[in-house]
Amino acid sequence: GQQLNQSPQSMFIQEGEDVSMNCTSSSIFNTWLWYKQDPGEGPVLLIALYKAGELTSNGRLTAQFGITRKDSFLNISASIPSDVGIYFCAGLLRAGANNLFFGTGTRLTVIP
Amino acid sequence: DGGITQSPKYLFRKEGQNVTLSCEQNLNHDAMYWYRQDPGQGLRLIYYSQIVNDFQKGDIAEGYSVSREKKESFPLTVTSAQKNPTAFYLCASSGVGYNEQFFGPGTRLTVL
Repeated sequence: GQQLNQSPQSMFIQEGEDVSMNCTSSSIFNTWLWYKQDPGEGPVLLIALYKAGELTSNGRLTAQFGITRKDSFLNISASIPSDVGIYFCAGLLRAGANNLFFGTGTRLTVIP
Repeated sequence: DGGITQSPKYLFRKEGQNVTLSCEQNLNHDAMYWYRQDPGQGLRLIYYSQIVNDFQKGDIAEGYSVSREKKESFPLTVTSAQKNPTAFYLCASSGVGYNEQFFGPGTRLTVL
């Protein structure tokens, strides 16, 4: 299957700091999705991106669809303790495709 | 409330036994999916179904079986042929266009 390289693998930050993480692929993707997963729970969809260059926000979260269509970025501003969790990127090679390829996740720890 | 339910949350089975995991959705979504998640890894697709009475193998279908007799339900059977069945299993569904997938809370299967 497709490899999505997500970095960093883990982050330890102070409450209030901003966070950046990214996801890269050797293939061109049609759609990028960002999910957050709490321990023992299913992933929750945060942001969906459909066009190269698209920048979309959801509260303190902002994600961008890279112009090469091979990467995507997620930023979290002014982190709070409940931001703790694992963030996954996921991509679809084409619209309507069934196989969603996932990155290996970024584990975020926020220190109060 | 609309959503995806999975049961049970935790499941223990002896080696060599088949076990069936339940997934139900009331979102009126056409497509449903089963993923497997191992510690420190992303999600991998086991099976998916776009319509009732039809399903396709994903990347790691060996040792698993599914059925889709109703739109709302997509049970997964982990058979004794699955060599390493202990994992966290996630069910998802998506609507028209199949781009955004929404996940259930997951079932943690432990084979003793």
